[in-house]
Amino acid sequence: KQEVTQIPAALSVPEGENLVLNCSFTDSAIYNLQWFRQDPGKGLTSLLLIQSSQREQTSGRLNASLDKSSGRSTLYIAASQPGDSATYLCAVGPAGNNRKLIWGLGTSLAVNP
Amino acid sequence: DAGVTQSPTHLIKTRGQHVTLRCSPISGHKSVSWYQQVLGQGPQFIFQYYEKEERGRGNFPDRFSARQFPNYSSELNVNALLLGDSALYLCASSFTGDADTQYFGPGTRLTVL
Repeated sequence: KQEVTQIPAALSVPEGENLVLNCSFTDSAIYNLQWFRQDPGKGLTSLLLIQSSQREQTSGRLNASLDKSSGRSTLYIAASQPGDSATYLCAVGPAGNNRKLIWGLGTSLAVNP
Repeated sequence: DAGVTQSPTHLIKTRGQHVTLRCSPISGHKSVSWYQQVLGQGPQFIFQYYEKEERGRGNFPDRFSARQFPNYSSELNVNALLLGDSALYLCASSFTGDADTQYFGPGTRLTVL
């Protein structure tokens, strides 16, 4: 059974810092992995999608890497800003016919001005 | 182009009542998925529909049902509401529901009293 864990659960950093959020999964047979952002009480915004054949994806100040063999993905945020404050969730799309996403509990990020 | 839309935004019901939640996918997307997110938890998969056919079902009781219409919009129905059904209900759309990015709507906040 696929399980997704995100560490740390919460993170508070001063503005301008570079930071790394971690996501680990127990079954390396995945189809893809997505990182999402969720603001309090709001829906989810897709940030980056990494296919199982890819190693990383970049969008602006965000970079996500994927290491299937070790069951890990990291989301790197460069030069953090207060507007980056949100909960970041990773979701794994398992291989096989069942395409439902398996979610971590998220990392709550606070970037302080 | 409009994103995924959901209605209503908020809803308050009492135990035992029935509720219908609605979702309109992004134009051109044929797959709709429904998720339940309890406060402080990651989303839990409920259903996925593609081309009006149910493609996947999560571990939810039969009180939960859904359907997809010819225009690819979808309804989620919940019967005999329980207090534990209080959550944010998220709808996501994608082109195929497989390896492509899922785009989420803002969610419907359901409170059961």
